[in-house]
Amino acid sequence: DTGVSQNPRHKITKRGQNVTFRCDPISEHNRLYWYRQTLGQGPEFLTYFQNEAQLEKSRLLSDRFSAERPKGSFSTLEIQRTEQGDSAMYLCASSPGDREASGYTFGSGTRLTVV
Amino acid sequence: AQTVTQSQPEMSVQEAETVTLSCTYDTSESNYYLFWYKQPPSRQMILVIRQEAYKQQNATENRFSVNFQKAAKSFSLKISDSQLGDTAMYFCAFKLGQGAQKLVFGQGTRLTINP
Repeated sequence: DTGVSQNPRHKITKRGQNVTFRCDPISEHNRLYWYRQTLGQGPEFLTYFQNEAQLEKSRLLSDRFSAERPKGSFSTLEIQRTEQGDSAMYLCASSPGDREASGYTFGSGTRLTVV
Repeated sequence: AQTVTQSQPEMSVQEAETVTLSCTYDTSESNYYLFWYKQPPSRQMILVIRQEAYKQQNATENRFSVNFQKAAKSFSLKISDSQLGDTAMYFCAFKLGQGAQKLVFGQGTRLTINP
């Protein structure tokens, strides 16, 4: 297992376009998380899945954002009608479900630039 | 809501010195977990050390140790014999126990190790 994989690494898009990011977690991890990190700040929680169920969504996740994890494996995060304020690093992480003290394993992130 | 505060935006030390990064948090709960993550430049975030709140003994991982003061809600990270590879952003993070999944991060401390 090569860890948490995120694609693409970088995305530049024009304002108003839709973008989709993909995350492949560690295969035996049943929990998957999306975070957003702006420059010089700590990551902010967006949403998380246990298997295919989306169990919590942040108020940061406006109606332009949608996340899915259709088969409890990989996940996608879509942003519709992108705005310049969406420019950030989008981080995906996963964790095993049976160890409460475990931290997350993070991917390398997708850096979104909206021009 | 839980909050995490890192009061040192930047720190810089010479190689081989010892450095301590500060973190305070706010919660009314007694069961929780604390973490320090390292994010090297342009690389993914990795877990450095974790502490369970119910454990009185401070966690240690090689050159990394914590000073956990539960009553003061303080969780500092000490890096001994610092190395050039320790240069990174360091984030303190908090997670409630009892099945909670969301990690709450501080703003980060940019640590530079100088040769």
